[in-house]
Amino acid sequence: NAGVTQTPKFQVLKTGQSMTLQCAQDMNHEYMSWYRQDPGMGLRLIHYSVGAGITDQGEVPNGYNVSRSTTEDFPLRLLSAAPSQTSVYFCASSYGSGTGYSAGELFFGEGSRLTVL
Amino acid sequence: EDQVTQSPEALRLQEGESSSLNCSYTVSGLRGLFWYRQDPGKGPEFLFTLYSAGEEKEKERLKATLTKKESFLHITAPKPEDSATYLCAVQEDSNYQLIWGAGTKLIIKP
Repeated sequence: NAGVTQTPKFQVLKTGQSMTLQCAQDMNHEYMSWYRQDPGMGLRLIHYSVGAGITDQGEVPNGYNVSRSTTEDFPLRLLSAAPSQTSVYFCASSYGSGTGYSAGELFFGEGSRLTVL
Repeated sequence: EDQVTQSPEALRLQEGESSSLNCSYTVSGLRGLFWYRQDPGKGPEFLFTLYSAGEEKEKERLKATLTKKESFLHITAPKPEDSATYLCAVQEDSNYQLIWGAGTKLIIKP
C-alpha cells in the first residue's frame, strides 16, 4: 500500500508566487488534514476535511486554500507565497468517527519542504 | 489556554540506559492522548493511544502511561534505532482536532 503520498518533496518559491501541494491517500479515509511543522513548535493544523466536498479551517489557515473533490485527494494551495510560509508541510489522514478507530490515529505523508525566498 | 508541553527538549542516553519522556497537558476534558515517533526527514508515525488515567500501553521497549495531568513514555534498555523525535498530542472531548507538543529528541549512543 502506498498510504499517504505527497508531492513535491522539495520546492523553492519566490515571494508572491503560487503553488499547489498535492496529497493522495489510498486507504479510503474520510478525514484528511494539512499541518505545518516549524522548529521548536508543535504541528499546527492548517485545514482539514471530514469527507468529499467538506472542508474547514484549522489553527493557521490564512494564505492557504483547500478543496476535496474526491475521497482520495486533498490539495493545498498557497495563494501568494510569503517567507513566513517557509516550513515543512505534512498531509495526514485517518478513519472517520464511528468506525471504531480514533481520529487521533493519523497516517502521515513524508512531507513537503517549502522555502520561500 | 489548552496546551501540551513536552520535556525534556532533547535527551541523550547510552545504549541500555532506561529513562522517561514527559508530556503534560491542560485541557478541559480529555478524549485521548497520542504518542508518535518521527524520524529525520519523515512524517510522524503513530505509536499509542491512551484514553483514561491509569491506562498503560506497551510496544517493544516502549511503555506509555497516563495520569490526569500528564503522560510518560518509558523507554527500557534503548537501542540506537530508538533514536527519533517523540511527539505527544491531545484530543479534547469537545473538539475533534489535536493539540501537539513540540517533541522530545531522543539520541541513543552505542
